[in-house]
Amino acid sequence: QKEVEQDPGPLSVPEGAIVSLNCTYSNSAFQYFMWYRQYSRKGPELLMYTYSSGNKEDGRFTAQVDKSSKYISLFIRDSQPSDSATYLCAMSASTGNQFYFGTGTSLTVIP
Amino acid sequence: EAQVTQNPRYLITVTGKKLTVTCSQNMNHEYMSWYRQDPGLGLRQIYYSMNVEVTDKGDVPEGYKVSRKEKRNFPLILESPSPNQTSLYFCASSPGLVINEQFFGPGTRLTVL
Repeated sequence: QKEVEQDPGPLSVPEGAIVSLNCTYSNSAFQYFMWYRQYSRKGPELLMYTYSSGNKEDGRFTAQVDKSSKYISLFIRDSQPSDSATYLCAMSASTGNQFYFGTGTSLTVIP
Repeated sequence: EAQVTQNPRYLITVTGKKLTVTCSQNMNHEYMSWYRQDPGLGLRQIYYSMNVEVTDKGDVPEGYKVSRKEKRNFPLILESPSPNQTSLYFCASSPGLVINEQFFGPGTRLTVL
């Protein structure tokens, strides 16, 4: 079983839609949860970073962590064509340690 | 400008010919790491380093070597490349002990014939 599972999509939505991206994981030791965005032919860049359970909001982006269900989500409100990218979830058990990434979900926002 | 640089960006080589991909960061980060990205498999960690002279294996270390003699550099060495190491490679760095944010380089596309 993979440490992190993520639906690869692709996901296609109209501009302005609410997007929900999700990952599940198996290792209960994970405490740090991250979402990265990767544009074509670029390296990933950090979008959101959460420690332990709860919600975190940053502009149009909200990250949720449910450790009891081993499930994390990223919501994008009022999606824009510039949000079209691959979104990767990542997690680790402690700082400076090994990271585990999901396979990424490809998102296209249609104008 | 704060950044992670990788060289070369593109490389085509043949089986068995030793190669090194360099990685350098100018942010004084403690933590550095190498990943490979393959379709359907996502990003997988090869090696990581929490500080100078400290390296640890990630998920897929077989066939790779690394060294961390200076804080800013973390080269990835393929002693005898094979076609299954054809991939897109990313180097990343992070402040490490306090913050988990990783800054990624632009990637190196390697083809082993």
